[in-house]
Amino acid sequence: DQQVKQNSPSLSVQEGRISILNCDYTNSMFDYFLWYKKYPAEGPTFLISISSIKDKNEDGRFTVFLNKSAKHLSLHIVPSQPGDSAVYFCAAKSGGSNYKLTFGKGTLLTVNP
Amino acid sequence: NAGVTQTPKFQVLKTGQSMTLQCAQDMNHNSMYWYRQDPGMGLRLIYYSASEGTTDKGEVPNGYNVSRLNKREFSLRLESAAPSQTSVYFCATDLAGTGEQFFGPGTRLTVL
Repeated sequence: DQQVKQNSPSLSVQEGRISILNCDYTNSMFDYFLWYKKYPAEGPTFLISISSIKDKNEDGRFTVFLNKSAKHLSLHIVPSQPGDSAVYFCAAKSGGSNYKLTFGKGTLLTVNP
Repeated sequence: NAGVTQTPKFQVLKTGQSMTLQCAQDMNHNSMYWYRQDPGMGLRLIYYSASEGTTDKGEVPNGYNVSRLNKREFSLRLESAAPSQTSVYFCATDLAGTGEQFFGPGTRLTVL
């Protein structure tokens, strides 16, 4: 059973517009959420995170929103740039001494010039 | 600083052969992880090591063994490779289970 779901395998947007990537989770024990970005033939890189005590976290062009009641989070990229074209993974973990991250299957974002 | 390094980058094995994937980090992190990535499956945790001297199973540990050799090195061993183990393997590390993990470049393994 998938605990972290990214239902859109791909997304295409125009340069300069907003990209919105979505992620849903089922495990109510998750309390920390992260987004990773992955280019082909490279390892994933950490992008941004949010704790369950917040509903928004912003870092430059990237903002993550968390809706705990809906068990939903989203990553907004504004404005989108061609260099943002990559696979984006949503990940979640529960607190305490739990070291495990659970990843979604990823969304391929293509930003067209 | 190299960050997280993995060797080899590519490997082709025949069914039943064994091999060890190596991972080393120079970030002085306590925790290390092995993932596999398959098309359409995202990243799945194979094993992790919360700190030197400890290892624990992840989501898909069957067919693999690990060794946390010291604080810097964490190896993944396939004793008898199977075609189902064809995948891209990533090693990662973080300070102490924070979730903000640093990944190596990956090893692309094909088992024929």
